[in-house]
Amino acid sequence: QQQVRQSPQSLTVWEGETAILNCSYEDSTFDYFPWYWQFPRESPALLIAIRPVSNKKEDGRFTIFFNKREKKLSLHITDSQPGDSATYFCAAKTSNMGYKLTFGTGTSLLVDP
Amino acid sequence: EAAVTQSPRNKVAVTGGKVTLSCNQTNNHNNMYWYRQDTGHGLRLIHYSYGAGSTEKGDIPDGYKASRPSQENFSLILELATPSQTSVYFCASGVGGNYAEQFFGPGTRLTVL
Repeated sequence: QQQVRQSPQSLTVWEGETAILNCSYEDSTFDYFPWYWQFPRESPALLIAIRPVSNKKEDGRFTIFFNKREKKLSLHITDSQPGDSATYFCAAKTSNMGYKLTFGTGTSLLVDP
Repeated sequence: EAAVTQSPRNKVAVTGGKVTLSCNQTNNHNNMYWYRQDTGHGLRLIHYSYGAGSTEKGDIPDGYKASRPSQENFSLILELATPSQTSVYFCASGVGGNYAEQFFGPGTRLTVL
């Protein structure tokens, strides 16, 4: 059962544009939403995360927007750079299940120079 | 110095053979995880552990066993490897708590012929 969904599967933007990556979930008990990024031939690493008490989390060019009512969140990457080209995974954790993370299938982002 | 290491980095096995993937962490984290990554499926949790001597089933445990003999080491065991277990396997460690960040190893590419 896929509880975290991501769209689009792949995305191409020009350098300087804003990339928008979408994520939705089903389980209302999820209480922590990290985004991980993974560069080709590397392992995933934490990029940014949000808890449902906030509807926005910003870290430099990366911003998470969170809509609890609709069970949706999005990652906005402003002024996209070629070095941002990677696969981005939305994940979720519920306190009911200890420290397990449920990952989405990922969005592959390509930033063209 | 890498805090989560995996061995081997690449492995070719025969169908029906036994495969053991090893993971070592120097983060002193209580929690350790085994994931597999396949195109179109993202990261899927196989087994995890909350400490030495404990193992828990993840979302796709069938065909896999796990062993956590110490705080530092966590192994994934395929008793009878099948071609469907061809994948990239990632080990991760985490301290737990409200934010549950996980730190990933470099991955093991397993091919079962």
